[in-house]
Amino acid sequence: ETGVTQSPTHLIKTRGQQVTLRCSSQSGHNTVSWYQQALGQGPQFIFQYYREEENGRGNFPPRFSGLQFPNYSSELNVNALELDDSALYLCASSSGGRTHEKLFFGSGTQLSVL
Amino acid sequence: TQLLEQSPQFLSIQEGENLTVYCNSSSVFSSLQWYRQEPGEGPVLLVTVVTGGEVKKLKRLTFQFGDARKDSSLHITAAQPGDTGLYLCAGKVNSGYALNFGKGTSLLVTP
Repeated sequence: ETGVTQSPTHLIKTRGQQVTLRCSSQSGHNTVSWYQQALGQGPQFIFQYYREEENGRGNFPPRFSGLQFPNYSSELNVNALELDDSALYLCASSSGGRTHEKLFFGSGTQLSVL
Repeated sequence: TQLLEQSPQFLSIQEGENLTVYCNSSSVFSSLQWYRQEPGEGPVLLVTVVTGGEVKKLKRLTFQFGDARKDSSLHITAAQPGDTGLYLCAGKVNSGYALNFGKGTSLLVTP
């Protein structure tokens, strides 16, 4: 059984650029959630995808968008990067759409915006 | 606004000591989870509590969910250096999709 994998592990971008982060969910899981963890903070919910549909979103602007593919892998896209977007981006997978009974997190992508 | 407040923010103790960390809110949670996160890694789930007043034990770790489902505590007995990490509590409000995390308690256990 493979765990949640994220790529890339580290990324450096400049303000105004666009970035795409990728996540492969754990085998058998159809739900993917994305979280942003700024330095010294707990993770903040960005959005959740269930069977290729976004079915929940946190307090993030529209320049944060995502996709889920038929194999349940997912992408997080951020447009017009700002300095405050520098953070660890975590992907978590689970089985079942609305339940958060057990989330399995990847190791994250560390994004630095200069 | 932080839904879940964790205390203390930092804790540095010696091996063998006991400790308790707290997670408090004014909101009622349908479930509450505790995670441990090590540097460069994602959080790893330790436990989920669902029922008010519930107590769960995981080896030297004891988790308690408040009767009103608004708060929780994590007690570690005879801490070991391997317990070092960031302890995060997280909860769901009713049937929401989002898991709301606290800022965490950073624990350092020295030999």
